[in-house]
Amino acid sequence: AQSVTQLGSHVSVSEGALVLLRCNYSSSVPPYLFWYVQYPNQGLQLLLKYTTGATLVKGINGFEAEFKKSETSFHLTKPSAHMSDAAEYFCAVSASGAQKLVFGQGTRLTINP
Amino acid sequence: DTGVSQDPRHKITKRGQNVTFRCDPISEHNRLYWYRQTLGQGPEFLTYFQNEAQLEKSRLLSDRFSAERPKGSFSTLEIQRTEQGDSAMYLCASSRGQGGREQYFGPGTRLTVT
Repeated sequence: AQSVTQLGSHVSVSEGALVLLRCNYSSSVPPYLFWYVQYPNQGLQLLLKYTTGATLVKGINGFEAEFKKSETSFHLTKPSAHMSDAAEYFCAVSASGAQKLVFGQGTRLTINP
Repeated sequence: DTGVSQDPRHKITKRGQNVTFRCDPISEHNRLYWYRQTLGQGPEFLTYFQNEAQLEKSRLLSDRFSAERPKGSFSTLEIQRTEQGDSAMYLCASSRGQGGREQYFGPGTRLTVT
């Protein structure tokens, strides 16, 4: 079975500051890992994914994440926050052969001017 | 690529009524998923289809819930005898190919049961 824990339900940073959203996963098989963003009253948009290969994954809007197997982590970072980054962010895991995504509870990112 | 569409976007119903939601996936995607998201939580998996076959159902999908994908294209999710606890955002997603492929989500249907 898979599970995801996102540390911090709410993160607040200043515009231009580093964004770090934490995600730890549990999986009995090699995981596929995803970060999605959700704006109010909208569906989820994929930011980036890790399946195999390079452990540092680059996504859209300047976000990237690093898969660390030893730490069972897949933290999301962005060097410089922009006001438009304010949203809810979800980390998700699926087993390599499975279809469903298992999501964390989400982290609401607020950007202060 | 017009994206995943869902209809209606909002539904308000009285307890005990039946409701049906529709999802149209991206046209070349053979896999379709339903998730439920309650306020302040991440989406929870309900069920998924590969073409017209329903291959997995969550324990969350009680016998009041039924999903179909009759011709392997659009899908419907029906909730019978709605309860206040059914109030949530119902999200549909689609993907193609093998496991691990990214899922593309629709805008969701927000259900409010009064």
